[in-house]
Amino acid sequence: GAGVSQSPSNKVTEKGKDVELRCDPISGHTALYWYRQSLGQGLEFLIYFQGNSAPDKSGLPSDRFSAERTGGSVSTLTIQRTQQEDSAVYLCASSPAGGETQYFGPGTRLLVL
Amino acid sequence: GQNIDQPTEMTATEGAIVQINCTYQTSGFNGLFWYQQHAGEAPTFLSYNVLDGLEEKGRFSSFLSRSKGYSYLLLKELQMKDSASYLCAVRVYNFNKFYFGSGTKLNVKP
Repeated sequence: GAGVSQSPSNKVTEKGKDVELRCDPISGHTALYWYRQSLGQGLEFLIYFQGNSAPDKSGLPSDRFSAERTGGSVSTLTIQRTQQEDSAVYLCASSPAGGETQYFGPGTRLLVL
Repeated sequence: GQNIDQPTEMTATEGAIVQINCTYQTSGFNGLFWYQQHAGEAPTFLSYNVLDGLEEKGRFSSFLSRSKGYSYLLLKELQMKDSASYLCAVRVYNFNKFYFGSGTKLNVKP
């Protein structure tokens, strides 16, 4: 594909359920980032992958959040036992090795009822 | 910690020039980025500065002063389609992390 894709585009879930968000980066991009954006706010850094490893997980809000990346490509962000405060847009971005910019996907809009 | 400040909202007139400021306090500075984000859409890259000075790119220019922890984005010949949020982001050496400001919502009026 030409750009970063994310699925689902929208997700409505009940409090306490687990959700899995997927990101397909641009082919060949080794760096992958996850961000969270609440309504009217800036981007909150969650986690960064270089290849399949995540050297910095300090941005994950709690131990209910986890992320993995396989084959240096697709990444999934999992939120367990969702809470209402997890409602936000979750954005994924990828960047080529040493790249100066990130290319963002369209985001997943998560609503926890 | 990291601290990035930019005005919440600005209004300007079509055809005019507007300057959006960003101040930052970070350790391990490794570049400053500006992104544009239209409502309901993902951010798109506008400009990047790692050295002091002005980078010009068509109607958009960005300036950086590392000693002052200061950057601005200059938009010339404003068009209605420039109405959007403009995000300032700092990259740090620590694992290539990016820290974003809360964004400046620019309203362009006729």
